[in-house]
Amino acid sequence: GAGVSQSPRYKVAKRGQDVALRCDPISGHVSLFWYQQALGQGPEFLTYFQNEAQLDKSGLPSDRFFAERPEGSVSTLKIQRTQQEDSAVYLCASSLGWTGDNEQFFGPGTRLTVL
Amino acid sequence: SQQGEEDPQALSIQEGENATMNCSYKTSINNLQWYRQNSGRGLVHLILIRSNEREKHSGRLRVTLDTSKKSSSLLITASRAADTASYFCATPPQGGSEKLVFGKGMKLTVNP
Repeated sequence: GAGVSQSPRYKVAKRGQDVALRCDPISGHVSLFWYQQALGQGPEFLTYFQNEAQLDKSGLPSDRFFAERPEGSVSTLKIQRTQQEDSAVYLCASSLGWTGDNEQFFGPGTRLTVL
Repeated sequence: SQQGEEDPQALSIQEGENATMNCSYKTSINNLQWYRQNSGRGLVHLILIRSNEREKHSGRLRVTLDTSKKSSSLLITASRAADTASYFCATPPQGGSEKLVFGKGMKLTVNP
């Protein structure tokens, strides 16, 4: 595809529901990143993958958050038992990877609202 | 945690004027990147400057980096209404990780 795509663009969940957010990176990009952006703040790192390997998940706020990229392409961020504080925009980015200077290409984000 | 901090937090100027945004960061870096975010195009990479570079240009953008002061500045010349957006500096943390640590951002409004 032409860029990083994410779905759904908007998600409203009732507190306690599970949600799954999908990211389709740019074809051929090795690295994939998830960020969380609260209103009026910069994106905060959650986790990242090189191909199918999850190399860093230090930013995941709790064990309710889980991410996977089983075939090294599409990734899913799952949030179990959503809480109101999970309301944010979830951004996915991809990059060519393997080198130290990488431009990250961001998707449009999924805006999650937990009621 | 956020590594960079942009200054000022908000700036309003007239079309045609120049806009300067500053970023300060805390730890040693390999590179520093500037991103722009608006509602129409999401978060877009603008420019990357490496730690061994002092200045870089891209179109109407000029970025400087002073590693001794742990600061960078982004200059947008001859601003346009379309430059209205939030601007973020971002750095990869030490240790070779590819993740980026973003500042809180700066809101630029360019009035026509």
